[in-house]
Amino acid sequence: DTGVSQDPRHKITKRGQNVTFRCDPISEHNRLYWYRQTLGQGPEFLTYFQNEAQLEKSRLLSDRFSAERPKGSFSTLEIQRTEQGDSAMYLCASSLPRGQGDHEQFFGPGTRLTVL
Amino acid sequence: KQEVTQIPAALSVPEGENLVLNCSFTDSAIYNLQWFRQDPGKGLTSLLLIQSSQREQTSGRLNASLDKSSGRSTLYIAASQPGDSATYLCAVRLWGAGSYQLTFGKGTKLSVIP
Repeated sequence: DTGVSQDPRHKITKRGQNVTFRCDPISEHNRLYWYRQTLGQGPEFLTYFQNEAQLEKSRLLSDRFSAERPKGSFSTLEIQRTEQGDSAMYLCASSLPRGQGDHEQFFGPGTRLTVL
Repeated sequence: KQEVTQIPAALSVPEGENLVLNCSFTDSAIYNLQWFRQDPGKGLTSLLLIQSSQREQTSGRLNASLDKSSGRSTLYIAASQPGDSATYLCAVRLWGAGSYQLTFGKGTKLSVIP
């Protein structure tokens, strides 16, 4: 499968714990995005990487959230001191470099986070 | 701030019918618009992407149109099938240096009844 992959697919944690999610983009894609989706809503943008550089961050990305893409390949999203309001589906997407592929974003299967 | 609205929120049709899903956006300075499909508890599958300079795109039984000046897009599904049952989301990307984020609507939940 050459699509975007995410791990884990499901995560249940207790309030106050830290969690980390991983995203592996499509191999030739240098752009990577994180979104969050709550029940009945459309996805909301969190942050964007071009290669290893984090170029855009939403105000939704509070100081408890941090994202990295150290080698410009996979990315991690960490949530510290989780709160019940963090319960959501966390989606990762990737797209080709500028000038290729019309900037179409391709999404992974998501990580469903439940905070008890 | 860009806002994206999808109407109706839910739609139920008998198998074989043609149908239209609507998407409207408040800021017409868009770079492109994407239509996605989402099955329950799953990620998003890209269906069609329309650049701001284009009027429509077609893929199989799907046709998406874009009227940037009026801030509207439609997704036309021909000869609907039960397998088309899913939530359909539209998303727009604005023009702007360094802005690559998509702004999504809440989606239209489609049920195709056999």
